[in-house]
Amino acid sequence: LAKTTQPISMDSYEGQEVNITCSHNNIATNDYITWYQQFPSQGPRFIIQGYKTKVTNEVASLFIPADRKSSTLSLPRVSLSDTAVYYCLVGDREGGYNKLIFGAGTRLAVHP
Amino acid sequence: SAVISQKPSRDICQRGTSLTIQCQVDSQVTMMFWYRQQPGQSLTLIATANQGSEATYESGFVIDKFPISRPNLTFSTLTVSNMSPEDSSIYLCSVEVQEGPSSGNTIYFGEGSWLTVV
Repeated sequence: LAKTTQPISMDSYEGQEVNITCSHNNIATNDYITWYQQFPSQGPRFIIQGYKTKVTNEVASLFIPADRKSSTLSLPRVSLSDTAVYYCLVGDREGGYNKLIFGAGTRLAVHP
Repeated sequence: SAVISQKPSRDICQRGTSLTIQCQVDSQVTMMFWYRQQPGQSLTLIATANQGSEATYESGFVIDKFPISRPNLTFSTLTVSNMSPEDSSIYLCSVEVQEGPSSGNTIYFGEGSWLTVV
């Protein structure tokens, strides 16, 4: 089971770019890297998923180096509404399906 | 993607009673998962529900306390039995969606069912 490590908390200001790095040294060949955003009292919301190199969507970018032992979620020009907990996950496919085990996540606080 | 509906969204329950949470998804999915999130904590996986077979429970969770049904490919229920205040949590249903051969499978979550046991 690949374990992830990410900062417990980060602070930023409106309009800045935020980069959250996650390490996953034991990532398996078939594992994808997935990031979720969670607001209080809501279910986690899927942000982005990738396997290697760079993935970009309308919300964020995900950078994955060649060794895949880490990944960086990049949020461009954050706003106050981006204040949330961000989870980096690597799927455990031992059972043939994508089982996600959550860590503590990164609490991002965006200030005016 | 997938749209997941959970009922109830919120409830206050008496100690010693049981409550069943329903999870409905808008497309057929093979794997469904149930998580618990206690106040201020991260998510903890309770069990994996594969249609047509018994649910697989994670360490620390047992079927007698959290019985799960999975009658078809779009629906599942989780029952929290003989509740105590320690069971006060958000219970989340999630599903695995096959996005395509180059995208991997993605897991989507419902909005959760917030249970308070008094």
